[in-house]
Amino acid sequence: EADIYQTPRYLVIGTGKKITLECSQTMGHDKMYWYQQDPGMELHLIHYSYGVNSTEKGDLSSESTVSRIRTEHFPLTLESARPSHTSQYLCASSESIRLGTLKMTNEQFFGPGTRLTVL
Amino acid sequence: KNQVEQSPQSLIILEGKNCTLQCNYTVSPFSNLRWYKQDTGRGPVSLTIMTFSENTKSNGRYTATLDADTKQSSLHITASQLSDSASYICVVSDRGSTLGRLYFGRGTQLTVWP
Repeated sequence: EADIYQTPRYLVIGTGKKITLECSQTMGHDKMYWYQQDPGMELHLIHYSYGVNSTEKGDLSSESTVSRIRTEHFPLTLESARPSHTSQYLCASSESIRLGTLKMTNEQFFGPGTRLTVL
Repeated sequence: KNQVEQSPQSLIILEGKNCTLQCNYTVSPFSNLRWYKQDTGRGPVSLTIMTFSENTKSNGRYTATLDADTKQSSLHITASQLSDSASYICVVSDRGSTLGRLYFGRGTQLTVWP
């Protein structure tokens, strides 16, 4: 059972509001990720982090921002939400493992997701 | 361009029947392939993982196969149950990045009717 949590699970807000989606994991994983998923579509990576104070943009351009001040916490913020931001946001984490001299990334564990609706 | 294609897009079967879902990929260099189950409104949960040298992997009523030469994988579900209703996502990881970048298919939406 993966110990990765997201809050809120559902959020309905008006255009122009600032929101923060929370993601926390208790597994001590160094890598964390944010994905965006629309109905019937594949997951798209929008942000990732290798560790504390490390954040990078993913494959899909997003107006959101992220921070990684603590290992277990990876919040995503939208400064001014718009209807085009309506989607499901999934957080995931994974750990790096060493096989001899190789450093590899282990399986990603996903949180339950936040369903965001912007009116 | 690295891609993962799944078929069919959706599938309806009766409880107790078997079904097979398909996945074709072009991801290179290949590292591993996972099948995830995603219930409605939830995050994906891993069912199986296969590396280049593995041809088949089972997890209860789920059996995944991999043909690395043709870059095809299948997920066979035996004696389906109502709880199998979900989206099944094929995910391929490449070997070229330390991030372990994942490439996602759009999923097959399986509905099991009583």
